[in-house]
Formats: sequence, structure tokens, C-alpha cells
Amino acid sequence: NAGVTQTPKFQVLKTGQSMTLQCAQDMNHEYMSWYRQDPGMGLRLIHYSVGAGITDQGEVPNGYNVSRSTTEDFPLRLLSAAPSQTSVYFCASTQAGSRGYEQYFGPGTRLTVT
Amino acid sequence: AQSVTQLDSQVPVFEEAPVELRCNYSSSVSVYLFWYVQYPNQGLQLLLKYLSGSTLVKGINGFEAEFNKSQTSFHLRKPSVHISDTAEYFCAARGSQGNLIFGKGTKLSVKP
Repeated sequence: NAGVTQTPKFQVLKTGQSMTLQCAQDMNHEYMSWYRQDPGMGLRLIHYSVGAGITDQGEVPNGYNVSRSTTEDFPLRLLSAAPSQTSVYFCASTQAGSRGYEQYFGPGTRLTVT
Repeated sequence: AQSVTQLDSQVPVFEEAPVELRCNYSSSVSVYLFWYVQYPNQGLQLLLKYLSGSTLVKGINGFEAEFNKSQTSFHLRKPSVHISDTAEYFCAARGSQGNLIFGKGTKLSVKP
């Protein structure tokens, strides 16, 4: 049971490039989400999904797209990278409606946009 | 608006001293409350959670937190810290979208 996995761990992009951050979980969780972490800002919600085929925007969605074709995978796409998207990105999952409401986090992807 | 406030951005403390990391939440968030710890260059690990019941919650690594509804607080405490507790600590509440609403974090620095 690998939990939540993210790839890559590190990435450097040039302004205007696009890329996809991968996230997968093997716990059969319905709810998955993406956060970005910036110094002194805590973690902020980018997008989330309550199940396959269903996604919605969080607090800071601009410049990012998501899709959820399977329960296991929830990729985050940067359409045209900007320096303001330099951040650490965390994917998380939980069982919707679970008593614990605990979210399990991946190890993170550290992205630098130059 | 839904918000979680961590009152101290940095807390320096000597080894074996007690520590309290403060957290307040807005009345508009749910009272499902969490503390996470993040060690340098790592992901987030759950320390403890409050869902209901006893207001004193015990977590891993000797940490505990007390839920206080009247003061809308969920402060984290440890009676005696170790060097290995040096990390950033995040208080969070479950938001209306099923997400977590995080405070901005408190960096705990334990000095020998």
C-alpha cells in the first residue's frame, strides 16, 4: 500500500512551458485535492475532486487544470507556467464521508519557474 | 469567511522545556480540527485530530491539544520537547468543500 504518490519530486520550467504533475493513490479514496505551499502562506487549495469525473475549483485555481478519469489518478496541469507558480505542490486524498476526515498527503513536488 | 489563525509564526524553545503552539479558528468552519507536522523537505504528517467527544486530544510523539469551543481555540502542547521536534506545525479545519483550511504555520525551533 503506497498511499499517495507524486511525480516528479523536483521540476524546473521556463516561463510559458506547460507540464503535468502526477498524483496517484491506492486507497480507493473518493476525494482528492491539490494544494500549493508557499512560505508564510500555509497550504492553499487549488482544485479538488469528489469522485471520478467530478472536479471543482478551490481558492487559487487560476493557471491550473485538473481532470479525474479514474479513482486512482488526479493530475494537475500547468497550462503556461509563470514565476508566480514557483511553489511546493501537495496532493492529498481522503475517503469522502469517512469518520476520520483525515487527509493523506503525498511527498510533494517542488516546482521552480524561471 | 472560513479561516484558521496561528498566532505565532516562530517559536524558539530550549530542549526539555514545555511548549504551546496557538491556533484559533473562525466560527464559520467546522469543528473538525487537525494538527499536522512538516519536517524539513518532507510532506505533512497528521499529529492529532478532534472530531467530537473529549476536548483533550492526544496525538503522536507526546503531543496533545485542547479544543475550546468558547474561545474557538485548538492549542497544541507538549510538556517536554526534544531536538527532533524541530519542524513546522500546521493547524487546520475541515472546510465546506471537504478540503482542509490551513493556518500559515508555526516554526518550532528546539535549541540544546
